[in-house]
Amino acid sequence: NAGVTQTPKFQVLKTGQSMTLQCAQDMNHNSMYWYRQDPGMGLRLIYYSASEGTTDKGEVPNGYNVSRLNKREFSLRLESAAPSQTSVYFCASEGQGYEQYFGPGTRLTVT
Amino acid sequence: EDQVTQSPEALRLQEGESSSLNCSYTVSGLRGLFWYRQDPGKGPEFLFTLYSAGEEKEKERLKATLTKKESFLHITAPKPEDSATYLCAVQGASNTGKLIFGQGTTLQVKP
Repeated sequence: NAGVTQTPKFQVLKTGQSMTLQCAQDMNHNSMYWYRQDPGMGLRLIYYSASEGTTDKGEVPNGYNVSRLNKREFSLRLESAAPSQTSVYFCASEGQGYEQYFGPGTRLTVT
Repeated sequence: EDQVTQSPEALRLQEGESSSLNCSYTVSGLRGLFWYRQDPGKGPEFLFTLYSAGEEKEKERLKATLTKKESFLHITAPKPEDSATYLCAVQGASNTGKLIFGQGTTLQVKP
């Protein structure tokens, strides 16, 4: 089992450019999550999907959109990147005991 | 509002010097308290889930305990490879699926 995978691992964007972060899990989990991690701010929830076909906003959703493509895949899109979106982005999926399993992260820099 | 506070922010230990990390929490209806380990440049790695006061979980040199207000992660005779940031998170009944993370404790174990 690969667990949770994310692509790309690194990305540099210019202000105003768009991109999609991809996430997939092979653990047959229903719920999936997108977080960002910033120094001094900890991990903050951007969006989550409790099941295929549903998505909900988390703590910091502004500037992002998500798509739950199927049970395995949950993507995060930045339509018009801003320097404030420079961060490390983690995808996670939830196991049966409510624990979440995280991917390796995408390190995004917006110049 | 659900809240998690971890202390200390940073901890330096000599190899073999046991200590404890603290996680104080406020949550409406605890569904679970979670401990994670995060190495630099990697995603958080799940360690333990605790569901009710009095519960304890152990894994190698780590032991997690839970009371109604806080959790401790006890590290017995640590080794340099235990150096990492340890994150605590809670999930409350009013925030199903959403983990609230603390800021983390960065542990350095010197040989």
